[in-house]
Amino acid sequence: KAGVTQTPRYLIKTRGQQVTLSCSPISGHRSVSWYQQTPGQGLQFLFEYFSETQRNKGNFPGRFSGRQFSNSRSEMNVSTLELGDSALYLCASKLRGGEQFFGPGTRLTVL
Amino acid sequence: GESVGLHLPTLSVQEGDNSIINCAYSNSASDYFIWYKQESGKGPQFIIDIRSNMDKRQGQRVTVLLNKTVKHLSLQIAATQPGDSAVYFCAETLKAAGNKLTFGGGTRVLVKP
Repeated sequence: KAGVTQTPRYLIKTRGQQVTLSCSPISGHRSVSWYQQTPGQGLQFLFEYFSETQRNKGNFPGRFSGRQFSNSRSEMNVSTLELGDSALYLCASKLRGGEQFFGPGTRLTVL
Repeated sequence: GESVGLHLPTLSVQEGDNSIINCAYSNSASDYFIWYKQESGKGPQFIIDIRSNMDKRQGQRVTVLLNKTVKHLSLQIAATQPGDSAVYFCAETLKAAGNKLTFGGGTRVLVKP
């Protein structure tokens, strides 16, 4: 069974731009969560989607948004990028009652 | 490879020895705890979990201990191998919070041959 896939793996943007990251969960998994990982703040929860609805949200500004499609694939968007948004963005999918499986992440660099 | 933490506490252990990684969690109401392993360039990988109604759980070469009184979690790795070199994170969650995980800061384990 294929794991969680994230695209692109690496991305370079400049301040003020916006970016969209994509996540394809494991087949059959309907819950998708996003996390931001930085050396300073560690792993922080962004949001969770289940059946196309945001079920939970972390403490991030409104510039961070996401959505989930009917096939459970998810995207997250960051608008008006800041230098501090440089991070590894991780997506995780989960089956009800099971563990969360993480993808390899998208490394975003903001210049 | 990817840098997951520039100033993580580091545990150096001789190959074949046992490793103990500690974690203090923050929310006394958390009822589910997980240990993850993250290798360079990869996402976190599930190792073992434990629910708050247990104080010990064993897996293959790993044991998790939970002390709710002092909000402490530990991961023991038996006969540490070079492939165990990675960053280890504990995570806590509350059933009512859905699938939101709160992660600890991480510990880097270096296995010396």
